Amino acid sequence: GAGVSQSPRYKVAKRGQDVALRCDPISGHVSLFWYQQALGQGPEFLTYFQNEAQLDKSGLPSDRFFAERPEGSVSTLKIQRTQQEDSAVYLCASSLWGGGTLFRETQYFGPGTRLLVL
Amino acid sequence: GQQVMQIPQYQHVQEGEDFTTYCNSSTTLSNIQWYKQRPGGHPVFLIQLVKSGEVKKQKRLTFQFGEAKKNSSLHITATQTTDVGTYFCAGQGYSGAGSYQLTFGKGTKLSVIP
Repeated sequence: GAGVSQSPRYKVAKRGQDVALRCDPISGHVSLFWYQQALGQGPEFLTYFQNEAQLDKSGLPSDRFFAERPEGSVSTLKIQRTQQEDSAVYLCASSLWGGGTLFRETQYFGPGTRLLVL
Repeated sequence: GQQVMQIPQYQHVQEGEDFTTYCNSSTTLSNIQWYKQRPGGHPVFLIQLVKSGEVKKQKRLTFQFGEAKKNSSLHITATQTTDVGTYFCAGQGYSGAGSYQLTFGKGTKLSVIP
């Protein structure tokens, strides 16, 4: 595709509800990253995929957060039993090759999903 | 873990004035990247610096990477209203958990007064 797309763009959830956020990376991009950006802060790394393999999930804040990329393209970030502190913009980024092992790769960011937990 | 500090947090300048934001890492970096995020938008890649002491220019923007590869700066000459946004530096280093993570600074929010 032309760029990274994410859906939904906005999500309001009640505390305790489960949510699923989708990311469509640029077609053919091997690497996919998820970031969390709280208001007034920089993006914080959550997890990284190379194709379908989740190589790094060290940034996931708790076991309520789960990400998958079963076919090596579309990815879903799932948050179970949402809490108010989960309110943030969730950004997805992709890069052509191995952002994990070959650095210097430009990451292309999607528009983000703004999650508000009430 | 790796930490990246960025100052100032906010900068208000008169159109035509210069602007500089500074970035400092707690560890030596493989490279440093700069992004711009417009209000309501997403981070857009500007540039990457890899070599110690590297200086790169993009029109009115000048980017520097320190000799020790732990600090960097972005300087904008003669700001314009189109420069408004938040500028993030992001240092890349091995996470120890399987990837070269980008660690972002908190950003410098630039306002330009026409």
